[in-house]
Amino acid sequence: KQEVTQIPAALSVPEGENLVLNCSFTDSAIYNLQWFRQDPGKGLTSLLLIQSSQREQTSGRLNASLDKSSGRSTLYIAASQPGDSATYLCAVLDSNYQLIWGAGTKLIIKP
Amino acid sequence: EADIYQTPRYLVIGTGKKITLECSQTMGHDKMYWYQQDPGMELHLIHYSYGVNSTEKGDLSSESTVSRIRTEHFPLTLESARPSHTSQYLCASSGFGANVLTFGAGSRLTVL
Repeated sequence: KQEVTQIPAALSVPEGENLVLNCSFTDSAIYNLQWFRQDPGKGLTSLLLIQSSQREQTSGRLNASLDKSSGRSTLYIAASQPGDSATYLCAVLDSNYQLIWGAGTKLIIKP
Repeated sequence: EADIYQTPRYLVIGTGKKITLECSQTMGHDKMYWYQQDPGMELHLIHYSYGVNSTEKGDLSSESTVSRIRTEHFPLTLESARPSHTSQYLCASSGFGANVLTFGAGSRLTVL
């Protein structure tokens, strides 16, 4: 059974720092992996989707990588800003075409 | 503007009441989903639909029911609410062949 883990559960860094969020999954048989952002009291916003055949995707200051063989993905945020404060979730589309979610990393950017 | 709407955003009700959480999308998406999320926890799929008159249960056992009579509308109903149903319920949709989900803002339910 596919399991998705995000460590750490919470992270606090000063504004301006570059940072990396981690996502690991137990079964490498996935179709894709997605990173989402969730603001308090709101729904989720899709940030990046990486197909299983891809190694990385970039959008602005965000870069997501995927290493299927090791079951890992990272979300790199460059030059962090207070507006980046949110919970970041990753989800994999598994071999049964079901989305399996991590519990998220709560990110706080201190001004 | 294409979007997905959930009502109510917040609801506090007593045990035993029947409630319906509404979800509507204006994007013409075939696939719609209901997720349950407790604070600090992962999302769990409770129901999904691949089109009109199609509904399936997700991986999390739920006492709720859903219907899909129209493409744009996917309501979730609890016939008799209990305190264990206290949670946030998120509705999402995706287009044909697409894997990117669009989420509503969520409905936060508290059952006393």
